[in-house]
Amino acid sequence: NAGVMQNPRHLVRRRGQEARLRCSPMKGHSHVYWYRQLPEEGLKFMVYLQKENIIDESGMPKERFSAEFPKEGPSILRIQQVVRGDSAAYFCASSRASGGAGEQFFGPGTRLTVL
Amino acid sequence: DAKTTQPPSMDCAEGRAANLPCNHSTISGNEYVYWYRQIHSQGPQYIIHGLKNNETNEMASLIITEDRKSSTLILPHATLRDTAVYYCIVRVLIQGAQKLVFGQGTRLTINP
Repeated sequence: NAGVMQNPRHLVRRRGQEARLRCSPMKGHSHVYWYRQLPEEGLKFMVYLQKENIIDESGMPKERFSAEFPKEGPSILRIQQVVRGDSAAYFCASSRASGGAGEQFFGPGTRLTVL
Repeated sequence: DAKTTQPPSMDCAEGRAANLPCNHSTISGNEYVYWYRQIHSQGPQYIIHGLKNNETNEMASLIITEDRKSSTLILPHATLRDTAVYYCIVRVLIQGAQKLVFGQGTRLTINP
């Protein structure tokens, strides 16, 4: 049973470009969460999605950031017009809709570097 | 979510038990205690969770005080691979529906 997959693992962008980060949840999981970890800091929640719905985006910056989790395919975190302050590790986690202990399973992360 | 307080760092000798404390004095009656760890910039890993009874799994044991204001994560025989940042998180258990609020955690170093 494959775990949460994220790609790319490393992404380099120049200021002003767009970054697209992908997350495929574990099989059977329909809830996806995105977290950001700035260098030498803890993880911060960004957004929580279910299939085709954004449930909680309280941690998402109001501009340039968007997320989706379409009916088919991976969840996408999109950052437009990246700036140096966007350089961070972005982690995706998934969980089941019901059952289990409510635990979230994390992917290996995408490390975004903005030049 | 209630806040937690953890020591910023701890050391433990390889093969010994590592006991990581966590204070959560404002925890509500319906909030669970979860532990995650992050090994050197990898994605966080779920360890264990509990409500009021002590819990044990293949990774660790969780001891929660009777008043639920604090808990201790125990790694019974620490190995070098247990070196990581350990996060204690309290939250209501709504199946898959609650974000995790990470504090600064405890940086545990296992020494040979």
